[in-house]
Amino acid sequence: AQSVTQPDIHITVSEGASLELRCNYSYGATPYLFWYVQSPGQGLQLLLKYFSGDTLVQGIKGFEAEFKRSQSSFNLRKPSVHWSDAAEYFCAVLSGGSYIPTFGRGTSLIVHP
Amino acid sequence: DVKVTQSSRYLVKRTGEKVFLECVQDMDHENMFWYRQDPGLGLRLIYFSYDVKMKEKGDIPEGYSVSREKKERFSLILESASTNQTSMYLCASRPGQGAAYFGPGTRLTVT
Repeated sequence: AQSVTQPDIHITVSEGASLELRCNYSYGATPYLFWYVQSPGQGLQLLLKYFSGDTLVQGIKGFEAEFKRSQSSFNLRKPSVHWSDAAEYFCAVLSGGSYIPTFGRGTSLIVHP
Repeated sequence: DVKVTQSSRYLVKRTGEKVFLECVQDMDHENMFWYRQDPGLGLRLIYFSYDVKMKEKGDIPEGYSVSREKKERFSLILESASTNQTSMYLCASRPGQGAAYFGPGTRLTVT
């Protein structure tokens, strides 16, 4: 069965600092991996996805993520955080043949001025 | 761009009422989902559908039903609303093995 762990419930960074949000998955083969962002009161917006190929994936809003098979991780990064990046971030995994993506519990990003 | 729309952003209903939440997607996606989101509990799957008239229960189907008569529309029905169904409801659609796309959500309050 597939599962996703986001170890950090909250992350606080200063505006302009770099950011890394952690995501670990559990699945035997290479899964499909996703990162979403949710602003307060809104739906989830797809930031980026990994299906195969280059393990460094570029997304929208200046985000990137790196798939590391040896660590079963898909961490989200941004070199310089903006105040508008404050939101909830969700990692998700979809195994081959499954209809249903599994979501992590989310990481709340707080940005200090 | 994929567009998933939900019929209401905010809804207030009374206990015992029958409630309909509508979701429409414009990208011919096979799969559609209904989740509820509550603080500290993440996203929990209520029902999903992989084709017209096909539906499967998710993790928390009790008190809910769904209808998918057309490919683009997936409705969530609360047969008799209760206060513990006060929540944020999120609809999503997904093609084949692609990414899921979400609607803006419906904040439902049952009083």
